[in-house]
Amino acid sequence: DAKTTQPNSMESNEEEPVHLPCNHSTISGTDYIHWYRQLPSQGPEYVIHGLTSNVNNRMASLAIAEDRKSSTLILHRATLRDAAVYYCILKSTGNQFYFGTGTSLTVIP
Amino acid sequence: ETGVTQSPTHLIKTRGQQVTLRCSSQSGHNTVSWYQQALGQGPQFIFQYYREEENGRGNFPPRFSGLQFPNYSSELNVNALELDDSALYLCASSPGGSQSTGELFFGEGSRLTVL
Repeated sequence: DAKTTQPNSMESNEEEPVHLPCNHSTISGTDYIHWYRQLPSQGPEYVIHGLTSNVNNRMASLAIAEDRKSSTLILHRATLRDAAVYYCILKSTGNQFYFGTGTSLTVIP
Repeated sequence: ETGVTQSPTHLIKTRGQQVTLRCSSQSGHNTVSWYQQALGQGPQFIFQYYREEENGRGNFPPRFSGLQFPNYSSELNVNALELDDSALYLCASSPGGSQSTGELFFGEGSRLTVL
């Protein structure tokens, strides 16, 4: 199983950008990098994914290092509703996702 | 468009009993996967079904079994329950095949407590 390493927790002030790092030094050439988040008492929710190039969507941006051994999820303006556990996941062939323990993000008003 | 729904939302069983959890996939999705999430941990992959066939399994013993039905809904069965089986069980669906974007759509889970 491909492994990812994330900080256990991070804090951010409301309306400031947040950069959530993830290391995945054992990534293979065909692994996609996915990010999901899980709000309290809910199932995980898709945030963004990418392979090699940086990606943007309405929720966030994903910056992928040139060697693909690390990536950063960027929330451009954190809101209180962004407080959640963020999971960085490597997805190989098929739809099998291997979650780590994630980063618990606290947003301070 | 109806999302992923799971039932029951909460249940309590005793050690040694059997449990069946149910999942209705999102409309148009033919792939269902199940995850176990212990308190404070990330979800752990149990298995996946694609068009009624199991096509992937994580590191779980055979007493964890499943089914997928022609309408793509799914069941997770756990026999001989152990205390460590207490967890949130999550179902996720996806379009699968060439239509897959890799995005999973999760239900809110079934919280199982084993006493």
